[in-house]
Amino acid sequence: QQKVQQSPESLSVPEGGMASLNCTSSDRNFQYFWWYRQHSGEGPKALMSIFSDGDKKEGRFTAHLNKASLHVSLHIRDSQPSDSALYFCAASASSGQKLVFGQGTILKVYL
Amino acid sequence: AQTIHQWPVAEIKAVGSPLSLGCTIKGKSSPNLYWYWQATGGTLQQLFYSITVGQVESVVQLNLSASRPKDDQFILSTEKLLLSHSGFYLCAWSLDWGGPGQLYFGEGSKLTVL
Repeated sequence: QQKVQQSPESLSVPEGGMASLNCTSSDRNFQYFWWYRQHSGEGPKALMSIFSDGDKKEGRFTAHLNKASLHVSLHIRDSQPSDSALYFCAASASSGQKLVFGQGTILKVYL
Repeated sequence: AQTIHQWPVAEIKAVGSPLSLGCTIKGKSSPNLYWYWQATGGTLQQLFYSITVGQVESVVQLNLSASRPKDDQFILSTEKLLLSHSGFYLCAWSLDWGGPGQLYFGEGSKLTVL
């Protein structure tokens, strides 16, 4: 079973709209969470990290973490066509080398 | 500034043929290095990691091998390609071992096995 589950599989929002992506972990050892974004044909790039319960805002992006429910979300305000990409949630434990990725959410921002 | 370069950008190979993909990291001393595999539009599967020169650990068995001949170089190879090897191969580096460390990915190598 995938240890990091993302939903929805794909999402379409209008330009200027709000996109909300979700991620749930099944492993309580995971302490650190990341959101990565991958444009077609490129390598993934880290968007933001969140390690503590609550919200973290960086520009148009807000991440929310609830460790009790092992749930992470990413909200993109004022979505732009350039935000169209594959978004990955990733989690790691406090020790060990492995960053575990979810299966990804495809975001399409249409004009 | 740190740079990560992968080569080749793309390869089309026949089943049973050998393969070598490479990755070079400049501007960082003794990084942790990783190879990931990605099916088209799929998740990222870690294949190998290396903490230091000459030492490589395998995460999954996919008839692939990896080597780290220099501090800044990571090589992925196989002597006989399978159809299932097709996909996008990504090299990455990090400074932190475990914990909250960020991964920095290269631009990837697209492999098509026919």
